[in-house]
Amino acid sequence: AQKVTQAQTEISVVEKEDVTLDCVYETRDTTYYLFWYKQPPSGELVFLIRRNSFDEQNEISGRYSWNFQKSTSSFNFTITASQVVDSAVYFCALSEARTGGFKTIFGAGTRLFVKA
Amino acid sequence: GAVVSQHPSRVICKSGTSVKIECRSLDFQATTMFWYRQFPKQSLMLMATSNEGSKATYEQGVEKDKFLINHASLTLSTLTVTSAHPEDSSFYICSARNAENTLVSNQPQHFGDGTRLSIL
Repeated sequence: AQKVTQAQTEISVVEKEDVTLDCVYETRDTTYYLFWYKQPPSGELVFLIRRNSFDEQNEISGRYSWNFQKSTSSFNFTITASQVVDSAVYFCALSEARTGGFKTIFGAGTRLFVKA
Repeated sequence: GAVVSQHPSRVICKSGTSVKIECRSLDFQATTMFWYRQFPKQSLMLMATSNEGSKATYEQGVEKDKFLINHASLTLSTLTVTSAHPEDSSFYICSARNAENTLVSNQPQHFGDGTRLSIL
């Protein structure tokens, strides 16, 4: 069974601080996809990134970076120089290709507060 | 722009009413759509997988007769909350999978903006 764990329920930082959101996953599938989504107070899900199981390259997009470590089943997300607009709930998600039918399972989410 | 349209965005109705929520893929065919439910300050919980032309697959604990899913075309899936009660109040989100580009696209699954359902 697939499982996503986001151990950090809430994180509070001051603007310009760096912050890392942790994500650990479990899967028996050899082909799977990992995602990060942002959910602002308005409720819609904003897609941030997808990473395939066979691609362990880390990625940087502006102030965002992701560290995919298959050996530890982790897919952590770092925001550099955080801003107030980064305040939201962030979800890590896993989609199994073969056994899961591509259905996406979400972690519990980490609520990030960035204070001015 | 939005590639999945979910309608309505907000519903407030009396207890006992049945409510239909639509999920449309706008510029691709979606053989599979997913329905999620999110309670306040909680995660998205998958309710069911909707397959075009066949019965939906429900997750454990989800009442099939309570949450009716119909996926009659490649661009439309509907979720009907039958005889809704206050405990059904929640945020419902659909997503549609673009089967053609699942393996190559960075965003193979697109989410609607959600429907906030409030039952009085």
